[in-house]
Amino acid sequence: RKEVEQDPGPFNVPEGATVAFNCTYSNSASQSFFWYRQDCRKEPKLLMSVYSSGNEDGRFTAQLNRASQYISLLIRDSKLSDSATYLCVVNPPTYKYIFGTGTRLKVLA
Amino acid sequence: GAVVSQHPSWVICKSGTSVKIECRSLDFQATTMFWYRQFPKQSLMLMATSNEGSKATYEQGVEKDKFLINHASLTLSTLTVTSAHPEDSSFYICSASMERGVKETQYFGPGTRLLVL
Repeated sequence: RKEVEQDPGPFNVPEGATVAFNCTYSNSASQSFFWYRQDCRKEPKLLMSVYSSGNEDGRFTAQLNRASQYISLLIRDSKLSDSATYLCVVNPPTYKYIFGTGTRLKVLA
Repeated sequence: GAVVSQHPSWVICKSGTSVKIECRSLDFQATTMFWYRQFPKQSLMLMATSNEGSKATYEQGVEKDKFLINHASLTLSTLTVTSAHPEDSSFYICSASMERGVKETQYFGPGTRLLVL
């Protein structure tokens, strides 16, 4: 089993739609979790940190389910500019980021 | 705040050349810097972790004599790809963090694209 697993997609959704991604992790001792956004041929940029029960930032909501060992990202009212690859990142007790392979999102006009 | 720069942004070189990439934290002191490599359509893979003034810790399978890392100060780390070969062509990204532990957040540089001919 991979340490961090994501559905690679692509998820093609119309503008205004709500879309959700899940990410599972294998190390139950992991303490911190992040969602990063990576545009084509660019570096990852921090979208949200997920430390406890989750958090919300505008149209973006991240949730953590420790019992099932997954985190989710919900994007409401999708914009064309949301098109990107969303990387799930887990920080296990070794304090080294473990990246998922990313989920590609394409928002269509 | 939390800006990380990398230089150069892209390099094209001949096989056998050594290439040096700089990573700088511009507005904070980085306790730790990380070097990643990303091949097309793959995820970022950690190559090594570097702390100022000490030797870098390399991930399994990464040759330390091939990828030399120097962390001269709290704001500068360098990665030198020695005797580069075409299979070293990749997107190299550094990141820097202000604190270790549960609340550590890594800030990424813009990356360096290396093409070895």
